[in-house]
Amino acid sequence: QQQVKQSPQSLIVQKGGISIINCAYENTAFDYFPWYQQFPGKGPALLIAIRPDVSEKKEGRFTISFNKSAKQFSLHIMDSQPGDSATYFCAVLVLTGGGNKLTFGTGTQLKVEL
Amino acid sequence: NAGVTQTPKFRVLKTGQSMTLLCAQDMNHEYMYWYRQDPGMGLRLIHYSVGEGTTAKGEVPDGYNVSRLKKQNFLLGLESAAPSQTSVYFCASSPVQGTSSPLHFGNGTRLTVT
Repeated sequence: QQQVKQSPQSLIVQKGGISIINCAYENTAFDYFPWYQQFPGKGPALLIAIRPDVSEKKEGRFTISFNKSAKQFSLHIMDSQPGDSATYFCAVLVLTGGGNKLTFGTGTQLKVEL
Repeated sequence: NAGVTQTPKFRVLKTGQSMTLLCAQDMNHEYMYWYRQDPGMGLRLIHYSVGEGTTAKGEVPDGYNVSRLKKQNFLLGLESAAPSQTSVYFCASSPVQGTSSPLHFGNGTRLTVT
């Protein structure tokens, strides 16, 4: 069962524009909502994360917006740069007492054009 | 500081052959994970370990076995490889359980089964 639905699958944005990636989840028991960034040939790396008791978190050009009632969260990249071109994964975490097991979305391939 | 190191980086197997993927981390993390990444499907958890000598099944464990004999190493085995196991495999580790404990990923092993 797919617990996290991510969209769009791919995204092309002009340099300086805003990139927006959305995720929706089904289970309401999640404890942590991270976003991972992956460059070709590399493993994913944590970009930014939010807890469900916060509606927004901003780190530099990256912002997570969280809507608990709608069970949705999104990543906004302001002033997008060519160096932001990568694959982005949203994820959800349930603290079950058995490790930090993340369930990932299907990924969004972002390309930022000059 | 190497972080999470995976070997080999690439491998081609024939159907029915066996192999072991090695993951080593030098961060003294308790938890370790094996994920597979397939196009359009994100990352899916195969097996994980919450400490030396322990292993547990993830979302897609069939056809794989794991061992964690030493805290720093987590091995993923394929006893009889199948074309459906063609994928990119990522190992990850994390410190003690908690919402501020992100997963640290290796750079992956690209496996092709013909």
